[in-house]
Amino acid sequence: QKEVEQDPGPLSVPEGAIVSLNCTYSNSAFQYFMWYRQYSRKGPELLMYTYSSGNKEDGRFTAQVDKSSKYISLFIRDSQPSDSATYLCATHLPGGYQKVTFGTGTKLQVIP
Amino acid sequence: GAVVSQHPSWVICKSGTSVKIECRSLDFQATTMFWYRQFPKQSLMLMATSNEGSKATYEQGVEKDKFLINHASLTLSTLTVTSAHPEDSSFYICSAPWTSGRANTQYFGPGTRLTVL
Repeated sequence: QKEVEQDPGPLSVPEGAIVSLNCTYSNSAFQYFMWYRQYSRKGPELLMYTYSSGNKEDGRFTAQVDKSSKYISLFIRDSQPSDSATYLCATHLPGGYQKVTFGTGTKLQVIP
Repeated sequence: GAVVSQHPSWVICKSGTSVKIECRSLDFQATTMFWYRQFPKQSLMLMATSNEGSKATYEQGVEKDKFLINHASLTLSTLTVTSAHPEDSSFYICSAPWTSGRANTQYFGPGTRLTVL
């Protein structure tokens, strides 16, 4: 079993739709959770960062962590064509220099 | 957010040559950096952890003599692909951890695309 599972998609939605991206993880010791956006041929860009359970909102993006079910989500409201990219969930153990474990990434396409 | 740069952004080389890729943290110090490779339509695979002042730690299956890592300073790590072959063609990305208060995350460089002919 992979430590972080993520549906690779692709996921196609019309412009303006609410997008839900999800991951599950297996190690209950993970406490830090991130979502990265990666455009083609570019390095990952940090979108959201959360610590432990709860919600965090930043503009059109909301990250949600449910540690009881080991489930992490990213919601994108009013999706735009510029949101078309691959979204990677990631997590790591406590500590300053821990290795990050990534999901496989979900490719999202927002159709105008 | 913190900024990490990589140089070059792309490189094409002949089989058998060596290629050096630089990773710099521009506005913060990083005693540790990470090197990843990414094949098309796949996720990032951690290759090694670069440590300033000590040897790098390699992931299982990564040849340390082929992928030489040097963490020369608190803002610079280099990855040298020695005797490159076509199967080494990939997208190489570095990252550096950044901590502020309880925030603890990593910032990535823009990546280096290596093509070995």
